[in-house]
Amino acid sequence: SQQGEEDPQALSIQEGENATMNCSYKTSINNLQWYRQNSGRGLVHLILIRSNEREKHSGRLRVTLDTSKKSSSLLITASRAADTASYFCATDVAGYALNFGKGTSLLVTP
Amino acid sequence: EPEVTQTPSHQVTQMGQEVILRCVPISNHLYFYWYRQILGQKVEFLVSFYNNEISEKSEIFDDQFSVERPDGSNFTLKIRSTKLEDSAMYFCATAGAGNEQFFGPGTRLTVL
Repeated sequence: SQQGEEDPQALSIQEGENATMNCSYKTSINNLQWYRQNSGRGLVHLILIRSNEREKHSGRLRVTLDTSKKSSSLLITASRAADTASYFCATDVAGYALNFGKGTSLLVTP
Repeated sequence: EPEVTQTPSHQVTQMGQEVILRCVPISNHLYFYWYRQILGQKVEFLVSFYNNEISEKSEIFDDQFSVERPDGSNFTLKIRSTKLEDSAMYFCATAGAGNEQFFGPGTRLTVL
């Protein structure tokens, strides 16, 4: 399967700590996108990283991509209670469909 | 900031009935998608649409499903004869040249 698979499935941290989530996939990709989903809500686009990029930043978010290992990581620094959500990676193989993983459920406690 | 909007937010229907889910894309986007998420499961791709035709579809997108952009603005997903297993959250997504797919808030479809 070319779908992204996130690790860990669940992560619980305290406010102010950093949260790292990993994503692995199996085939070559055009790009990889990270999304956040609050319970029962829509998907919020966080970052897109292209296959020729190794790292991208957006505010407190840092995404890395290692195409040789077919893996990506999402780092959220100085986490806040509002960061509590599920985080998904989605791989774009051919420019159309995004293939989603099962997500990492992040809980940030005050 | 421009957003994708979807209507209705919640649709309840009887098995066998037709439903139409509507999406208004971000105005300068040219690529349109439908995904669904069954409760507790991962997001699944249904179909992509570009230049007024389907560019890719998944195995889920069978003859019961159709998409169209009837008036150049709304992008619709029609399910002709709903089944219980069609109950899910349906998300519309749109993308411009940059490939980032922006998702709408979703329509929760409940088939009774």
